[in-house]
Amino acid sequence: DTGVSQDPRHKITKRGQNVTFRCDPISEHNRLYWYRQTLGQGPEFLTYFQNEAQLEKSRLLSDRFSAERPKGSFSTLEIQRTEQGDSAMYLCASSDKDRGRSGYTFGSGTRLTVV
Amino acid sequence: AQSVTQLGSHVSVSEGALVLLRCNYSSSVPPYLFWYVQYPNQGLQLLLKYTSAATLVKGINGFEAEFKKSETSFHLTKPSAHMSDAAEYFCAVSESKDTGNQFYFGTGTSLTVIP
Repeated sequence: DTGVSQDPRHKITKRGQNVTFRCDPISEHNRLYWYRQTLGQGPEFLTYFQNEAQLEKSRLLSDRFSAERPKGSFSTLEIQRTEQGDSAMYLCASSDKDRGRSGYTFGSGTRLTVV
Repeated sequence: AQSVTQLGSHVSVSEGALVLLRCNYSSSVPPYLFWYVQYPNQGLQLLLKYTSAATLVKGINGFEAEFKKSETSFHLTKPSAHMSDAAEYFCAVSESKDTGNQFYFGTGTSLTVIP
């Protein structure tokens, strides 16, 4: 297993365009998380899946954001009508049931730049 | 509610000197505490974690941290800094019971190692 994979690593888009990011978690991990990290800040929670069910969403996740995890495997995060304020690093993480003991395993992130 | 405060957004040490990065937490329940390291344009890598076992926790790359409940602190230390330690360090807290799914991260401390 190669850890948590995110694609693409970098994305530059024009304001108003839609973008979609993909995350492939560690195969035996049933929990998947999306975080957003802006420059000079720590990661902020966006949303969480247990298997295919989206169980929690942050208020940061406006209606322009949608996340899916079909079949409880990979996940996608889509941002519609991107704004300059969406520019950030989007991090995906996964964990097994015993999250507290293992912590998260993070991917390398997708850096979004909205111009 | 949970939160983390990292004192000092930038820390500089000489190569071979002691590294001390400070983290104070707030939690209404017994916490799990973590330190992550982030290199430029990379995701976060787990350094070490406290999960209610030994209060002195040893991690990778010679780092360790001590959980002090009375001081609500979880400071990260390393006896002798190496050039490769230069990175951003994040402290994070989560709930020890498995109903909480978020990690709350501090704003990070950038460590510079001076040759």
